[in-house]
Formats: sequence, structure tokens, C-alpha cells
Amino acid sequence: EVQVVESGGGLVQPGRSLRLSCGASGFTFEDYAMHWVRQTPGKGLEWVSGISWNSGSIGYADSVKGRFTISRDNAENSLYLQMNSLRPEDTALYYCAKDMGRRPSAPDYWGQGTLVIVSS
Amino acid sequence: DIQLTQSPSFLSASVGDRVTITCRASQGISHYVAWYQQNPGKAPKLLIYAASTLQSGVPSRFSGSGSGTEFTLTISSLQPEDFATYYCQQLNSYPITFGQGTRLEIK
Repeated sequence: EVQVVESGGGLVQPGRSLRLSCGASGFTFEDYAMHWVRQTPGKGLEWVSGISWNSGSIGYADSVKGRFTISRDNAENSLYLQMNSLRPEDTALYYCAKDMGRRPSAPDYWGQGTLVIVSS
Repeated sequence: DIQLTQSPSFLSASVGDRVTITCRASQGISHYVAWYQQNPGKAPKLLIYAASTLQSGVPSRFSGSGSGTEFTLTISSLQPEDFATYYCQQLNSYPITFGQGTRLEIK
């Protein structure tokens, strides 16, 4: 069974950092692109970042570019999101999602999310 | 960045109705569009990818079409479990973007 499980969320002060992790199982992690998508309660979906199977292609939303860094460890079946200089508007539920292909084509399996709250 | 505009933002319909949601892109994105269904408190569920390919396990009453800048998601005969929020997404180029969502409610 394909599973992706996010962790690392929590309450953090503005300007501080947080690192999210996503553990994957049930599929050959190194063969698929991965994504982070976030959602503010009651609002729509916002794609945050994506990474190809071999980390050769990486993209970010304009709202996080220069502050967030996505990475993956194929040996550990893990995806990460390093979030620096956090702002209150980064408060959201952060989903990790597996893509269907080696490069972004469509996220087909999603975790249940980890909640990040940025507040003083 | 490529902007996606969904219409309508809100749709009220009855069980058995046929409904269509439109997603327009600010520039051409070939067929690189996916559609998702999201229920409250749940993660999104992939319905359609590559504009018109039905994801495995998704009922055949869901269909997608379009290319270039205009795309549609059609539900041929609404079932009670279909009342949810629907999103389109473009994966033609970074940054990947979502439409603002269409909330489908029971009339």
C-alpha cells in the first residue's frame, strides 16, 4: 500500500525555521517526483514545491522562493521541506504528495498533512 | 506564472444532474492538467490527469477534456458522494498552480 506520512509541523515564531519531513513506503521512492502542497483552513490548495526523481529539476511557488528548500533522500525514502524566515501567511496544513511520474505529471497519493502555525 | 481560473466558483445541483466545471489557463499548457476532488477534512483525490485520462478506480461518470487554455471536468450523473470541492491544476511548467476551486453543493 502506497503511503506518505508528513511530520515536523508545529507552532513557530515569525522569522524562525522549521523542517518538514515526509516518509514514503509501498512504492519505489526513487522512481517518482514528489511535491509539497499547502492549504490554509477553509481556503484553496497552493502548490509549494516539487522535485523530480533525481533532484535534477526543482520548482517553487513565488511565495516561498528563496525561503524554502525542498530536498529528498532516495536512500532513506524521504522528502524534506526546509522552511526559513517563516511568516504568518505560511500558516497552513502542509501535504506531501507522490507524483505519477519521474517529473511532475500529477500527484496521485497524498498524505494527511502536517499543520504549521506561524505566530508570536 | 500561469494563472488558472475556474468557473463557476460555486455550483448548486441535484442528484442525477450533469455538471461541467471549466478551467481556463492564462497561457497554453498543452494537456498538462489534472483535476482533484476534496472533501472537508480530507486530502485531495486525483480524478483526471493529462486533461482527459481517468485515474484508476475513479467512476466513469467523471470525464475531462480540453487542451491549450480551456479545460472541462464533467460529472455525467451526480451521486451524493460527489458533493465536494473540485480543483484543476496545471503541471506544464514551474511554478505549478491550482485553480481557486469549485464548491459543488446539493440543491
